[in-house]
Amino acid sequence: DAGITQSPRHKVTETGTPVTLRCHQTENHRYMYWYRQDPGHGLRLIHYSYGVKDTDKGEVSDGYSVSRSKTEDFLLTLESATSSQTSVYFCAISGGDRGPYGYTFGSGTRLTVV
Amino acid sequence: DAKTTQPPSMDCAEGRAANLPCNHSTISGNEYVYWYRQIHSQGPQYIIHGLKNNETNEMASLIITEDRKSSTLILPHATLRDTAVYYCIVGLGGSQGNLIFGKGTKLSVKP
Repeated sequence: DAGITQSPRHKVTETGTPVTLRCHQTENHRYMYWYRQDPGHGLRLIHYSYGVKDTDKGEVSDGYSVSRSKTEDFLLTLESATSSQTSVYFCAISGGDRGPYGYTFGSGTRLTVV
Repeated sequence: DAKTTQPPSMDCAEGRAANLPCNHSTISGNEYVYWYRQIHSQGPQYIIHGLKNNETNEMASLIITEDRKSSTLILPHATLRDTAVYYCIVGLGGSQGNLIFGKGTKLSVKP
């Protein structure tokens, strides 16, 4: 969707290396989210942010860290990539306090850890 | 865990209305019902949301029962491009909670 971009779109990395995925928005939305999607598990929340430097954990946060130093950027870091982190990662943004505006998702990053 | 129950799959003939049901019997009074869809490996796409009243937009209609324990998403004239996984979600969103996705309904629109 226009207004939210993820980079890179595809990445192959080796086990044990750090990896950073970037989510960039031009909507000036307050809330940003990182999800991962795996067969049989659907979309699961990793971390989310409710403002600059304000972040919190989701249901599958182990092995991941995030940072948000600017409204427009939300970074997801895999501190030491493992094969279990091979997945498709989606970023989402939301502008409404009570959520009636819903989420807008990025196009995803396909990460393969070998 | 997701708070909704959806059939895992449905078929629909092209040009006909697709009616996708969702049960959310534990919904609380201030939670919205959201519908998203995901086409192949793209990011999920917002379709519609509602609180109590029925809603309609350019994509679909949302019918919510009076007791709010279930809802139906209606695609009035399904096309092949509507083939996707449809997710029904209840939640507050934003600072009051995050949307939890279940496994959705795989809708196959057939010629």
